Amino acid sequence: SQQGEEDPQALSIQEGENATMNCSYKTSINNLQWYRQNSGRGLVHLILIRSNEREKHSGRLRVTLDTSKKSSSLLITASRAADTASYFCATDALGSSASKIIFGSGTRLSIRP
Amino acid sequence: ETGVTQSPTHLIKTRGQQVTLRCSSQSGHNTVSWYQQALGQGPQFIFQYYREEENGRGNFPPRFSGLQFPNYSSELNVNALELDDSALYLCASSLADRGSNEQFFGPGTRLTVL
Repeated sequence: SQQGEEDPQALSIQEGENATMNCSYKTSINNLQWYRQNSGRGLVHLILIRSNEREKHSGRLRVTLDTSKKSSSLLITASRAADTASYFCATDALGSSASKIIFGSGTRLSIRP
Repeated sequence: ETGVTQSPTHLIKTRGQQVTLRCSSQSGHNTVSWYQQALGQGPQFIFQYYREEENGRGNFPPRFSGLQFPNYSSELNVNALELDDSALYLCASSLADRGSNEQFFGPGTRLTVL
């Protein structure tokens, strides 16, 4: 079963706009990661946020984590056509083995020119 | 480029056959995880190998098995293929001792079962 669930399932925005995707999970975690996947290829790691962190930035990406609500958000600012992809959150359950992570079902982001 | 490679890129098999997929880890990584990703879904954890031993398994039947070799490369074997096994199979390598779960994914093998 999926640990994380992304919302929305699909998002279409105009180039230059900001895109926000949300992720909810069920159990306590060590950390949460966001990945991008282009056209059914391999996943690219974007950012990792630990359970004791509330916000993290990387370039045009901003991730927040609210452990009390078991939720996270990924914000992509000033979107570009190249941002068109599927985005997944991935969590590891607290106490699980070091590298076992569980993915959500993803948000498909489309950037319109 | 993550340094993780997978072979083959594409594969077509028929129901009941057996298949072996291969993964070469990023240099220095001691952990390999395998995932199955059906069309339109997120990757599902199959199992993980750490220093040549299975270190966690997802909800997959025993006909899914694996190996990790001393050089940390890995194989995923699937016996008695079923139509529902058609998916993208991803491997990911990581360095468990670093205390981080960041995984580096290969490009995947797309398996079609007819």
